[in-house]
Amino acid sequence: QVQLKESGPGLVQPSQTLSLTCTVSGFSLTSYNVHWVRQPPGKGLEWMGVIWSGGNTDYNSALKPRLSISRDTSKSQVFLTMNRLQTEDTGIYYCKVLAYWGQGTLVTVSS
Amino acid sequence: DVVLTQTPVAQPVTLGDQASISCRSSQSLVHSNGNTYLEWYLQKPGQSPQLLIYKVSNRFSGVPDRFIGSGSGSDFTLKISRVEPEDLGVYYCFQATHDPHTFGAGTKLELK
Repeated sequence: QVQLKESGPGLVQPSQTLSLTCTVSGFSLTSYNVHWVRQPPGKGLEWMGVIWSGGNTDYNSALKPRLSISRDTSKSQVFLTMNRLQTEDTGIYYCKVLAYWGQGTLVTVSS
Repeated sequence: DVVLTQTPVAQPVTLGDQASISCRSSQSLVHSNGNTYLEWYLQKPGQSPQLLIYKVSNRFSGVPDRFIGSGSGSDFTLKISRVEPEDLGVYYCFQATHDPHTFGAGTKLELK
């Protein structure tokens, strides 16, 4: 069955770079599009970006200057990299495909 | 970017009542291929969002028929008839017609 699991550092210092991994199973990354969505504490969902099955990407306009999404199809992994982190980047980061979501990983930006 | 405006922000309900949530888009969500990629999600506390409705009115597998999505163009509605305790949480509309994709701000369905 389709499964996604996010992993990452948990704590990131301000101005540093965040690197997250979404490890998937039950489908091929070359067949489906994987999205990243985040949620600040107590707030709503924010679509961050997508890596399409063909490998192209699209990003949230506000995050585009800082955000990159890539993948390793051989490892069934999708990567999110975001630089110049600030405290407002704190939140739960999810990856999703179609109706399926990971459990999310909490990222806290703090010194 | 497309802005999705959800109303109300909070919807107090009595169990067994009907609830209705509106999602209005700043532009038409009809894709050039003729489809309208408007989805509804429910997020319960401490959980990942779950898909309820896709392409305006199609219920995802396992979603009860008391959830009804409707609308067209830039005006959409989610109706929940006979609200049950497991329906409480925050509802989000989401558009995947235009890049970048966007979510509405959410509507909290709560008990009166």
